[in-house]
This record gives sequence, structure tokens and C-alpha cells, in this order.
Amino acid sequence: DGGITQSPKYLFRKEGQNVTLSCEQNLNHDAMYWYRQDPGQGLRLIYYSQIVNDFQKGDIAEGYSVSREKKESFPLTVTSAQKNPTAFYLCASSPQGAKNIQYFGAGTRLSVL
Amino acid sequence: RKEVEQDPGPFNVPEGATVAFNCTYSNSASQSFFWYRQDCRKEPKLLMSVYSSGNEDGRFTAQLNRASQYISLLIRDSKLSDSATYLCVVNHRGSSNTGKLIFGQGTTLQVKP
Repeated sequence: DGGITQSPKYLFRKEGQNVTLSCEQNLNHDAMYWYRQDPGQGLRLIYYSQIVNDFQKGDIAEGYSVSREKKESFPLTVTSAQKNPTAFYLCASSPQGAKNIQYFGAGTRLSVL
Repeated sequence: RKEVEQDPGPFNVPEGATVAFNCTYSNSASQSFFWYRQDCRKEPKLLMSVYSSGNEDGRFTAQLNRASQYISLLIRDSKLSDSATYLCVVNHRGSSNTGKLIFGQGTTLQVKP
């Protein structure tokens, strides 16, 4: 089955720690995205990548980093510089001809210990 | 002012009722419009695109009013399974190549037996 897999489902971060959220897709999509969702708020774009080895900052990139070394993979690192990391993180991808249609992974819930 | 605004609700309706949600957007350059559905603690999924002439998919009807910059979603004969949060999503002219979508905070619907 094709789809987007995010792991882990739940993640806990200690003070000053960097953590990495995994996102893998086997849909052969070129574009991938990371969003953050806080309670009662809409999704906010953190980073996006339209092609391998290229990515751009979204609206709230501070405190986050990404890489896109493979088409299938777009990991997100939440660094210690992100002071309010507790949120629901969603990864999405879209095909070349329909970038407005995004398919989401099941998400990772990150909490601070 | 948020770029995409929705009444968060919740809208509590009995089974079989007809319910309508509105969404307003502030950027007149917005070009593409969508409704996504998000179940509790799950990822968003595309419900339907919204076309200028209005469009229908079974019990769901979406309409766009560019002059007033709002989008609506009408659900007829509500089912218990329609209970979810409905996200209004837009993107701008020029953003269609990047797939940068702007999400509203969502409207929560609870259908009661």
C-alpha cells in the first residue's frame, strides 16, 4: 500500500535536546511538507521541499531543520532553539502535477518532559 | 487578522439535519480552495476541492463567492460519521507551483443520534 509513514507516533523531548521526526513516503511524490498544529489552530507550514536536495523555509521555520537527501524521506529535527515544541507534527506530500492536493501522514505528537 | 477564518464551533446537530459552514479569506489573490476533513487526533484528508461554479459530491456541496471572499460547505442528511473538524484551505496565485496552502483553524461538527 502506498502512503506516508511518520514515526514515532509519540515523542518526548528533554530540555535542551534535539529530536528528529521521521517522514517516509512511497507515493513517488516530488514535494514534501512539514506542518505544526497546535490545539484550536490551523496547520502552520514549517519547511517544504519540492525536489531532492532542495528545501525552503515555511512560515515558522525558526528552531527547526530538515534535510532531503532522498525523494522518499524528509526528516524534521526539532532543535533546542525551539522553545515551545509541544505540538502535533504532520508531514505531507503532493504529486508534481497537483501540488495543491496534499496527502498527510498520521502525525507525531511531541511533548516536552 | 487571520488569513483564513472559520467559526470553530462546535456545531451540534441531530442526525439527518442539514448544516452549513462558512469560511472567509482575506487575500484576494487566493486562487484555489479546498475543504479537508480531520477526525479527532488524526491527520487531515481532502474532502473536496471548491470550484467557482460550485460543486457537489453526494451529500456535500461546496460553493465559492469570490466577490465576498468566502467559501461554504453544506452537508445534507448528516450522519454520525460526519462528526469531525472541517478545515478550510486556500492557496494564492503564484503559490500553486509550491503547494503552499493556508489552513483555517477548522470548524468542529458533532452529529448526535
